Amino acid sequence: GAVVSQHPSWVICKSGTSVKIECRSLDFQATTMFWYRQFPKQSLMLMATSNEGSKATYEQGVEKDKFLINHASLTLSTLTVTSAHPEDSSFYICSAPGRGYTEAFFGQGTRLTVV
Amino acid sequence: GENVEQHPSTLSVQEGDSAVIKCTYSDSASNYFPWYKQELGKRPQLIIDIRSNVGEKKDQRIAVTLNKTAKHFSLHITETQPEDSAVYFCAAGTPTGNQFYFGTGTSLTVIP
Repeated sequence: GAVVSQHPSWVICKSGTSVKIECRSLDFQATTMFWYRQFPKQSLMLMATSNEGSKATYEQGVEKDKFLINHASLTLSTLTVTSAHPEDSSFYICSAPGRGYTEAFFGQGTRLTVV
Repeated sequence: GENVEQHPSTLSVQEGDSAVIKCTYSDSASNYFPWYKQELGKRPQLIIDIRSNVGEKKDQRIAVTLNKTAKHFSLHITETQPEDSAVYFCAAGTPTGNQFYFGTGTSLTVIP
């Protein structure tokens, strides 16, 4: 199956700094990338949908200026958590849909801890 | 938009028994229903899926049923094993919205 590579897998940062998370589709072109946030023992919460070459679509309640998404190429989408605070600590995971929007290929996830 | 509900949130079964997880969805346009297994700190892994033109699908110890009229689908795991312990998510995919909506998850524990 298709592979989505996400980096870093774990990051600790100081409060107030920014963190960039990358998701790359290794053997296919991902025109769309979904970004999720997951709290411990909870479900995947869709944050935003990025589309190559256009602005991301954010879900209600997600701060656009805080979670910057860029999808500059067909193989790379990035999520930048700006001015991170402890409440931003979470597991972030990206996913690219398969053809016809069936199947979802997930990245490995990034555990962000803000101290 | 789509709303996917999943029950139960936690489930404990004895090894060898069966486990059933149920999901309902709201958008009749949804036509793809995957199930994912997620181990702690890892990415969700697709274990089985079903499309709206099929009522039931089975893969060894795992089966999924779909009732489009009632808008619900279920995951059945038979002869459970300790390695089945994980969090399971259902999801509904709608081509019109081009998005996947996930259920709230079920934490399954198989007791040896």
